Amino acid sequence: QKEVEQNSGPLSVPEGAIASLNCTYSDRGSQSFFWYRQYSGKSPELIMSIYSNGDKEDGRFTAQLNKASQYVSLLIRDSQPSDSATYLCAVNPRGSTLGRLYFGRGTQLTVWP
Amino acid sequence: DAEITQSPRHKITETGRQVTLACHQTWNHNNMFWYRQDLGHGLRLIHYSYGVHDTNKGEVSDGYSVSRSNTEDLPLTLESAASSQTSVYFCASSESMDTQYFGPGTRLTVL
Repeated sequence: QKEVEQNSGPLSVPEGAIASLNCTYSDRGSQSFFWYRQYSGKSPELIMSIYSNGDKEDGRFTAQLNKASQYVSLLIRDSQPSDSATYLCAVNPRGSTLGRLYFGRGTQLTVWP
Repeated sequence: DAEITQSPRHKITETGRQVTLACHQTWNHNNMFWYRQDLGHGLRLIHYSYGVHDTNKGEVSDGYSVSRSNTEDLPLTLESAASSQTSVYFCASSESMDTQYFGPGTRLTVL
């Protein structure tokens, strides 16, 4: 069983704060990791991908990967009300057939003004 | 612009009827996926395809089938709809072991 676990939340932060979203995965050999954002009633959209240990920054978003701890996180700096959404962690495990992803259940984030 | 579309966007059907949900992508991606999303379960993979005439079962494939006769389309068929199949269905495509692009979703209600 290839499991991807996220805190379901809801996570609530004030505007301008840093939001920290966490994800753990069970397959130690997992190779690629993704964060998707899903607004209510909409489809998931990719916001970050990360493949190697360390940090990857893209604007206000930073993805952090620690393969030894089987942990991937997403930091959102200077959070805005428009960041309020559900964030899905997805993992492509080693041995998984090409392109197949396993998703966590998502963390609901609310940014209040 | 390349895109992925799903139709219908909303569907109400009765128990026992056959239903087909369409998915069409214009990226020329080889990989296509069908998911269902339910409260408390997240996204669960139903079927997927890595190319024409290739289909594979996902974790919740019972009661569903797909066929891939061309690169652009992967229709999902519910052979005999059940109330437990009331859900939001998402189609996605990708070129490689990388980003999946999702369609807008189909909300299916089985009465």
